[in-house]
Amino acid sequence: DIQMTQSPSSMSVSLGDTVTITCRASQDVGIFVNWFQQKPGKSPRRVIYRATNLADGVPSRFSGSRSGSDYSLTISSLESEDVADYHCLQYDEYPFTFGSGTKLEIK
Amino acid sequence: EVHLQQSGAELVRPGTSVKLSCKVSGDTITACYMHFVKQRPGQGLEWIGRIDPEDDSTKFAEKFKNKATLTADTSSNTAYLRLSSLTSEDTATYFCTTDSGDDYVMDAWGQGASVTVSS
Repeated sequence: DIQMTQSPSSMSVSLGDTVTITCRASQDVGIFVNWFQQKPGKSPRRVIYRATNLADGVPSRFSGSRSGSDYSLTISSLESEDVADYHCLQYDEYPFTFGSGTKLEIK
Repeated sequence: EVHLQQSGAELVRPGTSVKLSCKVSGDTITACYMHFVKQRPGQGLEWIGRIDPEDDSTKFAEKFKNKATLTADTSSNTAYLRLSSLTSEDTATYFCTTDSGDDYVMDAWGQGASVTVSS
């Protein structure tokens, strides 16, 4: 199975910060990586698809990038509504696999 | 816009089974694969498997192959996840989510169904 190693597991952040979360794939997954935002008690919401594409309705301060086997989600000028858990997913091959998640907390 | 409505919370006894439903509205269920995802309290997301309602073909994560069964009823536009031989390890929220192609993998989610396994 493909492992998605996500870091950090948690981040203490301030409003207005630029935040970067990374997933490293254990083997080539091409562009087939999504990022999800999840708020407490809610369903996940897709924010990035195919590694770099902004999902419908997602603010432009969110962006996705790829460097080799490293996939990153960046949130610029963090707002209070962005405080949530974030998860990456590879869907290049079955079984699909998620990263272990990153929890953003306010300092 | 696709909407997924999942069945309600379940409190079930160890050793029994439970069947969760996920009703699709806004599109025909055969237009997409249906995935199911597990989330234990305070933990990350775990992919269980997916069904293609067009032909009932399924894919599963290895650890769920003897635990989960996926079915679909095209007449009611509903997908089902059945979990068997329940233990406390199955206490979790289970989500259904759609997949209608590379640009649309997991773009719509159900609200989640909580399963608590307790005697």
